Amino acid sequence: AQSVTQLGSHVSVSEGALVLLRCNYSSSVPPYLFWYVQYPNQGLQLLLKYTTGATLVKGINGFEAEFKKSETSFHLTKPSAHMSDAAEYFCAVSDQGAGNNRKLIWGLGTSLAVNP
Amino acid sequence: DAGITQSPRHKVTETGTPVTLRCHQTENHRYMYWYRQDPGHGLRLIHYSYGVKDTDKGEVSDGYSVSRSKTEDFLLTLESATSSQTSVYFCAISKDTSSYNEQFFGPGTRLTVL
Repeated sequence: AQSVTQLGSHVSVSEGALVLLRCNYSSSVPPYLFWYVQYPNQGLQLLLKYTTGATLVKGINGFEAEFKKSETSFHLTKPSAHMSDAAEYFCAVSDQGAGNNRKLIWGLGTSLAVNP
Repeated sequence: DAGITQSPRHKVTETGTPVTLRCHQTENHRYMYWYRQDPGHGLRLIHYSYGVKDTDKGEVSDGYSVSRSKTEDFLLTLESATSSQTSVYFCAISKDTSSYNEQFFGPGTRLTVL
């Protein structure tokens, strides 16, 4: 069965510092991978996705993620944190199981705090 | 995105009362989902639908039922609300035009059961 692990439920960085949010997955087939962001009191918004091709994926708001098959990882990074990046971040993998359910398997989320 | 709305946005109810949450989309995609979000548990799938009158259970379906009589609407019903169902509920859709299964979310409904 597929699964997603996000290392660190809470991450705190200083404004201007590197943001690194970790995501590892398990999948028996080539995965589709996603990062979502949730700002306070809002729904989830797609930040970026990996489907096929280039392993470094760029998303909105300066975020990017690199798919590393050998490490089964899809870590999210941003070179310089901004106060507005404070949010909950979720990693997800597309369920490739039998049937056509189009479900996503979710990590538990990482709360990012940005300190001035 | 995909014109997803949820109603009501906030609701306070009492234990034992029935509650229905509505999700509406404007683009008529086949796949719709109901999740609940709780601290420490992330997002958990309650029920999903892959077409009118076609629904299936998710991982936390006990105490919930759904209906989909029109493509654009997906209703979640708590037959007899309990305090453990206090949560934030999100509806999502997966676009028919995408091969990658990404989902798009509504703004959520905050439900409090007293």
